[in-house]
Amino acid sequence: DAGVIQSPRHEVTEMGQEVTLRCKPISGHNSLFWYRQTMMRGLELLIYFNNNVPIDDSGMPEDRFSAKMPNASFSTLKIQPSEPRDSAVYFCASSLAIGQANTGELFFGEGSRLTVL
Amino acid sequence: KQEVTQIPAALSVPEGENLVLNCSFTDSAIYNLQWFRQDPGKGLTSLLLIQSSQREQTSGRLNASLDKSSGRSTLYIAASQPGDSATYLCAVASGAGSYQLTFGKGTKLSVIP
Repeated sequence: DAGVIQSPRHEVTEMGQEVTLRCKPISGHNSLFWYRQTMMRGLELLIYFNNNVPIDDSGMPEDRFSAKMPNASFSTLKIQPSEPRDSAVYFCASSLAIGQANTGELFFGEGSRLTVL
Repeated sequence: KQEVTQIPAALSVPEGENLVLNCSFTDSAIYNLQWFRQDPGKGLTSLLLIQSSQREQTSGRLNASLDKSSGRSTLYIAASQPGDSATYLCAVASGAGSYQLTFGKGTKLSVIP
């Protein structure tokens, strides 16, 4: 099993540029999560999808952030325009939704480290 | 709103010691609690998951306990090794009608050879 795959691993861009982060969840998982990690705020949930449908996007900081999941094996997180305060590590995670047979254990990708100059 | 607190923020112990990491949460209506390990520059690795109906889970030298009524969990590491050095994060799954994982800020563990 390849695990959750994220790209790019590192991204350095200038303020105002568009940034697109990509995620491939574990095959068969039906829940996908985008998190942001900073020293000051720790890990914050940005948005989560269940069966490709966005369920809770209350953590998305503002309209500059958008996320899509066009199919079960791919999701993107886009920032347009980017700002220096968006600099952080962005993690994607996937799981089987909690249910009778599923514990909801979460599996994380290696993260995308974003630096906005 | 669920809040998760981990104390201490950092811990340094000599190799071979047994140690306990603490996690507390404010809302006891949880689905499960997970402990993760994070190495520098890496993602999070799931260590143990305790469902709301369970009291503890064990994996090798690790034992996690859950007391929902008091809003507490502990991660016990036996016979610590330098390779255990990492940041350990506690996360609680809760939220009516949805599955939201709220993380603590972690405890950074250093095991000194």
